[in-house]
Amino acid sequence: EPEVTQTPSHQVTQMGQEVILRCVPISNHLYFYWYRQILGQKVEFLVSFYNNEISEKSEIFDDQFSVERPDGSNFTLKIRSTKLEDSAMYFCASSGGLAGGTDTQYFGPGTRLTVL
Amino acid sequence: GDSVTQMEGPVTLSEEAFLTINCTYTATGYPSLFWYVQYPGEGLQLLLKATKADDKGSNKGFEATYRKETTSFHLEKGSVQVSDSAVYFCALSGGGSYIPTFGRGTSLIVHP
Repeated sequence: EPEVTQTPSHQVTQMGQEVILRCVPISNHLYFYWYRQILGQKVEFLVSFYNNEISEKSEIFDDQFSVERPDGSNFTLKIRSTKLEDSAMYFCASSGGLAGGTDTQYFGPGTRLTVL
Repeated sequence: GDSVTQMEGPVTLSEEAFLTINCTYTATGYPSLFWYVQYPGEGLQLLLKATKADDKGSNKGFEATYRKETTSFHLEKGSVQVSDSAVYFCALSGGGSYIPTFGRGTSLIVHP
C-alpha cells in the first residue's frame, strides 16, 4: 500500500540553525500538508500546498517557515532560524489521489525535531 | 469556528473490555468526521471516517456513527486488545476546507 514517508525520523539542531524536513507524499496525490504536534498537545495545522503554491496557512506558519516542492516527488518544510519552541513532531500529509477524495489525508510517520 | 471535544484520558482498560471514547463537535454545515490513531512512536493513521449523518465508519473492530442530532462521533470497540494501546484523535473537516480540525487526543492503555 502506498504511504507517505518522512526523513529524518529525528533531527537535533541548535537554536538559530536552519533545518529542512523532507517528505515524499503518495505519488498520485495533489494536495500536501504540514502539521506539528508539540509533546502532549493537539495536532496543529501549519500549511497546505496545491499546484505549486500555498493554498492555506495558519498563524503558526510565519516568515520563519517555508515550503517547497523542489521536484516531482519531494515536499519540504524549512525552518529558517529555529527556536526552542519549534521542538515538536512534524507530520507531512497528502491527499487527493485518483481513488480517494481530497478530504482524506494520509500522514507520514513524522520527524521529531529537537531544538537545543 | 469548528472545534472537536474529546474525553480526557488516559482511558485504562483490561483486555477484552468494551471501549467508548466520546467525541462531540461544533461545525457549520455538514462536516466529514474522522478517527485517527497514533501508536507509540508512529505517525497518525486514519482509522475510520463518516461523511454524512447516520453513516457508520468501521475498521479493525472499531466503529463510530455520525450523529447529527447530538453532534457526536463516539468511538467504540467491543473487545479491546493490548495492541490497541495508542492515542486516538477525533477530527472533522468541512465548510469548504479540507484541513482537519483535531481534538486533543485520548490515550488508551489496555492491560493484559
